[in-house]
This record gives sequence, C-alpha cells and structure tokens, in this order.
Amino acid sequence: GENVEQHPSTLSVQEGDSAVIKCTYSDSASNYFPWYKQELGKRPQLIIDIRSNVGEKKDQRIAVTLNKTAKHFSLHITETQPEDSAVYFCAASISGNKLVFGAGTILRVKS
Amino acid sequence: KAGVTQTPRYLIKTRGQQVTLSCSPISGHRSVSWYQQTPGQGLQFLFEYFSETQRNKGNFPGRFSGRQFSNSRSEMNVSTLELGDSALYLCASSLLAAMNTGELFFGEGSRLTVL
Repeated sequence: GENVEQHPSTLSVQEGDSAVIKCTYSDSASNYFPWYKQELGKRPQLIIDIRSNVGEKKDQRIAVTLNKTAKHFSLHITETQPEDSAVYFCAASISGNKLVFGAGTILRVKS
Repeated sequence: KAGVTQTPRYLIKTRGQQVTLSCSPISGHRSVSWYQQTPGQGLQFLFEYFSETQRNKGNFPGRFSGRQFSNSRSEMNVSTLELGDSALYLCASSLLAAMNTGELFFGEGSRLTVL
C-alpha cells in the first residue's frame, strides 16, 4: 500500500526538553526516508534523511532512527529551542518512483 | 543559484472557474513534482514530470492536470474548481532522476482560495 502514518499530530514541549515524532510505512520496498521542516509561512525544507542500509543518523541536535522490521522510523530532537517550532513531515519512498508524506506534526516549543 | 519559483503566490477564484499555476525549477533540475497541502492532510502528491513526461500521478480527479516544457518549467491546471480545491499548491524540483531518492527543493507555493 501507499501509506505513511505520522504521530502525534501536535506536540508541545518545554524549551530544553526532547521531542520525538514517529512514522510508520507499509511498503516493504521503501528505502529512503526524509524529514522536512516547514516553518510558518515558509516552504518545506529537508532537515535530515536516512536510507535503509543504516539504522540511525545524527546531525547535531537532530537524529533519525529506522526499524525496517517494524517498518517505522522516528525523528528525535534534543535540547529543543523556540526556533524548532514548525510543522514536521516524514516521508517514505515507495515503488514506482514515488514519495509519500505523512500528515505532519505541529511542534510547539514553549519558552 | 535561484530557488524554485512559483507563480502566482496568491489567487482567488470562484467555483466552476479554472486556474493555471506555474513552477520554475532550480536550473539543471529536470524532475518537477506537485503537491496539495491542506491542514491535517499533509502533502498530497498530485503528479511528477521528468523531461516533459508525466511519470507518476496521484489519486486526484481528472480536473487536475499538468505539463512540463522543454526548459523544465511546469504548469498545473485545475478545471471546474470546487470549494474543496482551496489549498496551498507546492511544487518541488529534484536534481536526481529518481525523485524519491534525494532532496526535494520546494517552492513557496501558490495559495488558492475558491469562493
């Protein structure tokens, strides 16, 4: 199937806390999993991606983990800051040169 | 290098009208994909073009169509507009021929309001 489920739909955290967003996919052939951040009124931008040959990838305060067996991947943001407030979208590649996006998570970081 | 440019940025139409949106990809990018963004629905895939050919199409009615020109610029058209077509329409370009294996560069979108 062509489905990516993303949870939670909204997430509020205190500045300095960690935030975790989870996605599940259904296509066992999926091998590319990007995460996009969309600030209010701005365009979505890639913040990190992972391919199926690795289980974890880090970039400063952001990390992504992938569990191919369970078909889920997660975005972890540590030491959250107000500028992390945005909508985050996960996505998964599927057969036929397609990319399917999750419904998005609104992250609010309270200072 | 200029980013992805979409025009117009905002437009208001009435039911039954048609609309054409334009997208100019980053120079050298030949893949252009279109998405509809509505609150709570994320980014819904409309279609993808590569070298003037539509390679993929999402689950949208035939009222939604598109094309790509030889300079990689793309247009999408929505005919017989319905209230539910109100959304932000985003296009994205990719350097890679396989658009689902690398970074997508999004435009700022065209916000369509149907009254």
